[in-house]
Amino acid sequence: DTEVTQTPKHLVMGMTNKKSLKCEQHMGHRAMYWYKQKAKKPPELMFVYSYEKLSINESVPSRFSPECPNSSLLNLHLHALQPEDSALYLCASSQALSGGDTQYFGPGTRLTVL
Amino acid sequence: QKEVEQDPGPLSVPEGAIVSLNCTYSNSAFQYFMWYRQYSRKGPELLMYTYSSGNKEDGRFTAQVDKSSKYISLFIRDSQPSDSATYLCAMSYTGTASKLTFGTGTRLQVTL
Repeated sequence: DTEVTQTPKHLVMGMTNKKSLKCEQHMGHRAMYWYKQKAKKPPELMFVYSYEKLSINESVPSRFSPECPNSSLLNLHLHALQPEDSALYLCASSQALSGGDTQYFGPGTRLTVL
Repeated sequence: QKEVEQDPGPLSVPEGAIVSLNCTYSNSAFQYFMWYRQYSRKGPELLMYTYSSGNKEDGRFTAQVDKSSKYISLFIRDSQPSDSATYLCAMSYTGTASKLTFGTGTRLQVTL
């Protein structure tokens, strides 16, 4: 089973709202990732967690706040977003953080900021 | 110059055709090469993963890596309308904490 699940599928929020995206995997992977993807562009890496610790933050604005409560779960807390933050947010996981580990992606959450 | 170049297409082929999708890269450190398929409004799905130069086959899909030319390809035989999607090449190397460098994606349309 190579499934990564994400909820919700769609999210519409105002610029003053606070919401959270959730990601879950049960493959025993110890690395988890958040990506942002705009239309007709490849995914852009936002954050990487390894063994539940933040390993990489790609200079993402503080209105995005990741959290890894345990090895299976990854959250992305959203606050005071801008309309340009509207995108598909993808979660991925891999065995570990070595260069050759294959990343498996979830279906994504389509976020619209009004 | 981008690290990974990929023709964005769109590429339109008739059903049953052989499709060739390609990426070139400039960083000789890349060691691991992947092809992902992404349907509209869905997450990328891993299709092929290769490490060394040469060919790897899986059903109708063949991945080819030529490290000397810094060139990778994905061939799809007997293409089907269900193959219509965006194909993303991605690559990484040891020491990059599994950071993937993606191509821009090629949009493929297989017509009846």
